[in-house]
Amino acid sequence: AQKVTQAQTEISVVEKEDVTLDCVYETRDTTYYLFWYKQPPSGELVFLIRRNSFDEQNEISGRYSWNFQKSTSSFNFTITASQVVDSAVYFCALSVSGGTSYGKLTFGQGTILTVHP
Amino acid sequence: NAGVMQNPRHLVRRRGQEARLRCSPMKGHSHVYWYRQLPEEGLKFMVYLQKENIIDESGMPKERFSAEFPKEGPSILRIQQVVRGDSAAYFCASSPGRVTEAFFGQGTRLTVV
Repeated sequence: AQKVTQAQTEISVVEKEDVTLDCVYETRDTTYYLFWYKQPPSGELVFLIRRNSFDEQNEISGRYSWNFQKSTSSFNFTITASQVVDSAVYFCALSVSGGTSYGKLTFGQGTILTVHP
Repeated sequence: NAGVMQNPRHLVRRRGQEARLRCSPMKGHSHVYWYRQLPEEGLKFMVYLQKENIIDESGMPKERFSAEFPKEGPSILRIQQVVRGDSAAYFCASSPGRVTEAFFGQGTRLTVV
């Protein structure tokens, strides 16, 4: 079975601060995919990134960056110079490629990020 | 290419009524997943369907809940005899097949009064 843990329930920062959202995952599969989604106050789920288990290269997209470390089973997400519009719930998720679980996402509990002006 | 379309966006039902939630996947997508987000909780997988087939329903309650994805038309998540505990946001996601990137709809917020 798969498990995703986001230990930080809520984070509060002031605008322009950097913030890191932690994600730790568990799976016995050797091929898997990790995701981050953003859920703004309007409620929709916005896809941010997908990484596969064979690609540990870190990724940067504008103010967002992701650090994938298989050795610690972590896939952390950093927002640099946070803005009020970053306020949202952020979900880390995992899917594996085998059997009937294919494509099925296991989500963490989410981290509520509040960025104050 | 339109995204995943869910309707209605908001649905209010009295206890004991039926709720029908619709999901039209993205064009060319034949795989549909339903997830439920209960208040103060994360998203939980309910069911995975391909056209006309249920592949994995391990997350769906055994009673009152059913799902279908017919050859023609949207996928339907049906909840019979709704109870207050069914109040939640229900999200549908679709993917084109042997890839794992799923695109989500905007969700249906069900309120049972």
